Amino acid sequence: ETGVTQTPRHLVMGMTNKKSLKCEQHLGHNAMYWYKQSAKKPLELMFVYNFKEQTENNSVPSRFSPECPNSSHLFLHLHTLQPEDSALYLCASSPEDYGGGKLFFGSGTQLSVL
Amino acid sequence: AQTVTQSQPEMSVQEAETVTLSCTYDTSESDYYLFWYKQPPSRQMILVIRQEAYKQQNATENRFSVNFQKAAKSFSLKISDSQLGDAAMYFCAYRNSGGSNYKLTFGKGTLLTVNP
Repeated sequence: ETGVTQTPRHLVMGMTNKKSLKCEQHLGHNAMYWYKQSAKKPLELMFVYNFKEQTENNSVPSRFSPECPNSSHLFLHLHTLQPEDSALYLCASSPEDYGGGKLFFGSGTQLSVL
Repeated sequence: AQTVTQSQPEMSVQEAETVTLSCTYDTSESDYYLFWYKQPPSRQMILVIRQEAYKQQNATENRFSVNFQKAAKSFSLKISDSQLGDAAMYFCAYRNSGGSNYKLTFGKGTLLTVNP
């Protein structure tokens, strides 16, 4: 049990589809994050939520829309994606914003955009 | 802006042997944190070890230890008595200790293979 659960594990979608990624943490943390992991590139921070408030949007295109209804749940809504958006999307949580750098990660959603 | 460089895209080690993964970083800050994260085939990133820049003593966690050279801005990870379960991608990461720019910056990773 990792404490951070992501669903689905794999997702294939067309460029005109709308889908959502879900992340849930059972650790009592107050901060949650979305990262994008592409091959041969460093992890890219996308969004940060601290106490349900978005504290960082790292210049992410509007076709990615995050939602944080409470401190335990985080969603990433996807629409009209591009093939270059294919990547592993990782969710993480920490006790507070960046929590000293110790993040707890989920196993990610491997996204393929056709 | 801070940058983290891992110059070894891939490394391999024999089981029970020792391997060292390299990491260098660039910063103008004097107080910061450095981390090594491990990502096995399960894809879940796990924190391996953390070093605070103001501490001269190198961090150690069981078979994992670091060689922190602040002046050289070097932060290598040594894995002793390598085990098959150590096979993974290893990411070095940096974080300022405070201020407005305190997000984690990751390197591109080193893929470690452990040979039986």
